[in-house]
Amino acid sequence: SQTIHQWPATLVQPVGSPLSLECTVEGTSNPNLYWYRQAAGRGLQLLFYSVGIGQISSEVPQNLSASRPQDRQFILSSKKLLLSDSGFYLCAWSPRQGVTDTQYFGPGTRLTVL
Amino acid sequence: AQSVAQPEDQVNVAEGNPLTVKCTYSVSGNPYLFWYVQYPNRGLQFLLKYITGDNLVKGSYGFEAEFNKSQTSFHLKKPSALVSDSALYFCAVRDGRGTNAGKSTFGDGTTLTVKP
Repeated sequence: SQTIHQWPATLVQPVGSPLSLECTVEGTSNPNLYWYRQAAGRGLQLLFYSVGIGQISSEVPQNLSASRPQDRQFILSSKKLLLSDSGFYLCAWSPRQGVTDTQYFGPGTRLTVL
Repeated sequence: AQSVAQPEDQVNVAEGNPLTVKCTYSVSGNPYLFWYVQYPNRGLQFLLKYITGDNLVKGSYGFEAEFNKSQTSFHLKKPSALVSDSALYFCAVRDGRGTNAGKSTFGDGTTLTVKP
């Protein structure tokens, strides 16, 4: 069976500090990968998605970036965090083969920028 | 373009009563529709989806949803609510055509509270 991991679960960082959140998927190959941010427990904002190694699409211009160094690894980064970067970050994967497939979400990372 | 609307921020029902969480959508091509549930400080969990075929879709935990093309709706329903159903529910749509293929648009979520 497939599983998706995210870490850390919780993170408190000062403004201006760097960020690295990691997501890995097990039990599948060539997944589509996604990073979402959820503010204040409400709607999801798609930040990045990837259809393959090194292939990243950005949905919203901001000070965040994403990388996919391996097939099942997706990293969300920032060089300098802003207060507005606080939120709940969710990684998700879906099978590559079609648009109809479900997305499967990781447990999330709660980021607080002070 | 694709969009989805969940018109109710909050739905309150008594345990044992039927529940409905509303969702309407807009897409250019054929809609692929999904419902997810989120418990506090957790990731989203898939409940059910409509791709094609029977308009009534059955999913996990006794939930079902009805696809209505003329009303562009995909409301989530359950005949008898449980206190444990209390959570945040998200509707999502994916357009099967064009550049949005592979990316879903999520609604803002509806908080369901089931009272004993």
